Amino acid sequence: DTGVSQDPRHKITKRGQNVTFRCDPISEHNRLYWYRQTLGQGPEFLTYFQNEAQLEKSRLLSDRFSAERPKGSFSTLEIQRTEQGDSAMYLCASSLITDTQYFGPGTRLTVL
Amino acid sequence: GQQLNQSPQSMFIQEGEDVSMNCTSSSIFNTWLWYKQDPGEGPVLLIALYKAGELTSNGRLTAQFGITRKDSFLNISASIPSDVGIYFCAGLNSNSGYALNFGKGTSLLVTP
Repeated sequence: DTGVSQDPRHKITKRGQNVTFRCDPISEHNRLYWYRQTLGQGPEFLTYFQNEAQLEKSRLLSDRFSAERPKGSFSTLEIQRTEQGDSAMYLCASSLITDTQYFGPGTRLTVL
Repeated sequence: GQQLNQSPQSMFIQEGEDVSMNCTSSSIFNTWLWYKQDPGEGPVLLIALYKAGELTSNGRLTAQFGITRKDSFLNISASIPSDVGIYFCAGLNSNSGYALNFGKGTSLLVTP
């Protein structure tokens, strides 16, 4: 059973550009989560999907952020018009029926 | 989300020593999870706790779900150099949603 995978692992972009990250959950996990982590902090929740339905969104998820999970399998997180404050590690996690969430390796975003 | 109080912030110990860290919350949770994170990587699940009072072991690691449902602790026995990393506690109350609430982490350094 492969774990959660994320692509890319690192992304450097210029302020104002759009970026998109992909997450592939553990096979058959119906729940998928996105978190953001800045230096010295624990991960902070952004949004959650059950199958293809986006059921929760944090206030951290501004209008520039959008997440999709069109077929209930992989998910994408897009950030439009990136700002320097968006620089962080973006983590994806998945779970089955229990509340135990398994994390991927993350995508490190640097906005110049 | 709510930030949990995790202590100590950092620990510097010698190989072979036992380690104890804890996490408290002002809200009750029905799930406590402990993760370890290495630099540049995502959190790796160590132990999951689902019931107040539950005591669970995973090799040299032991964690307990506090009976008040507002705290949890993690013990590491006979530490080894590969225990180095940042340990995070995370709590969840599925009656309020599925977002994990994380502490700020305990940074563990182990000298040979």
